[in-house]
Amino acid sequence: DGGITQSPKYLFRKEGQNVTLSCEQNLNHDAMYWYRQDPGQGLRLIYYSQIVNDFQKGDIAEGYSVSREKKESFPLTVTSAQKNPTAFYLCASSIAPEGYEQYFGPGTRLTVT
Amino acid sequence: SQQGEEDPQALSIQEGENATMNCSYKTSINNLQWYRQNSGRGLVHLILIRSNEREKHSGRLRVTLDTSKKSSSLLITASRAADTASYFCATDGRNTDKLIFGTGTRLQVFP
Repeated sequence: DGGITQSPKYLFRKEGQNVTLSCEQNLNHDAMYWYRQDPGQGLRLIYYSQIVNDFQKGDIAEGYSVSREKKESFPLTVTSAQKNPTAFYLCASSIAPEGYEQYFGPGTRLTVT
Repeated sequence: SQQGEEDPQALSIQEGENATMNCSYKTSINNLQWYRQNSGRGLVHLILIRSNEREKHSGRLRVTLDTSKKSSSLLITASRAADTASYFCATDGRNTDKLIFGTGTRLQVFP
C-alpha cells in the first residue's frame, strides 16, 4: 500500500524546545517538500529536496531545518528560533521536481505553548 | 510568496448545483494544478493542465486555462455533499522548480 505518512498527527511542545516531524514515503519519489499552513490560508513552502543529500530553502525556511539522508525520509525540525511555530505542517512528494502532481501526507498539527 | 488567488474565497451551494471557482496568477507558467483539501487533512491532486492546453475534463470536473488572462477555472458539475472541501490552485512557473499555491476557495455543499 503505497503512500506518504506523517507522524504524529498532533504534537504539543513547550516554547523553546526543538521538535522533529516525521515524513516517510514508499512511492520511490525523488522530490519531497515541507509546507506550512495557517488557518484559512494557502500553503507556504518551507524546504524541498529534489534528490537524496540535497535540499533547498523555500519561502519561509527561517527557524526550520531538514535532512535527506534517505530517499524515503525527509524529517523537518522546528527549532526554538521559529517565532510562531504553531501551525499545520504538510509533507509531500513527487516523481520529479517539475511538472508532476504532488502526493500529500495527512499532516501534523503542531501546537507550541 | 503566493502567486495564485482563488475567487470566491467561499462558496455555498445546494447538492446538484454546479460550482465554479477561479484562479488568477501573476507570472508565466508551465502547468497549473488543482487540489482539494478536506478539513484537517492533506491535499489531494485533482487535475493538471499544461500551459498549451485550454480545457481538461476528469469525471465531474472541468478545468479551463486562459494564459492570456493568466487565469483558470474549476467547474464541479452536479455537486454532492462529499464535495465540501477547500480547493486550491497551484502553479508551476517557468523559472522555478516549486509549486506555488493560492489561498483557496472553501466550498460548502448542502444536502
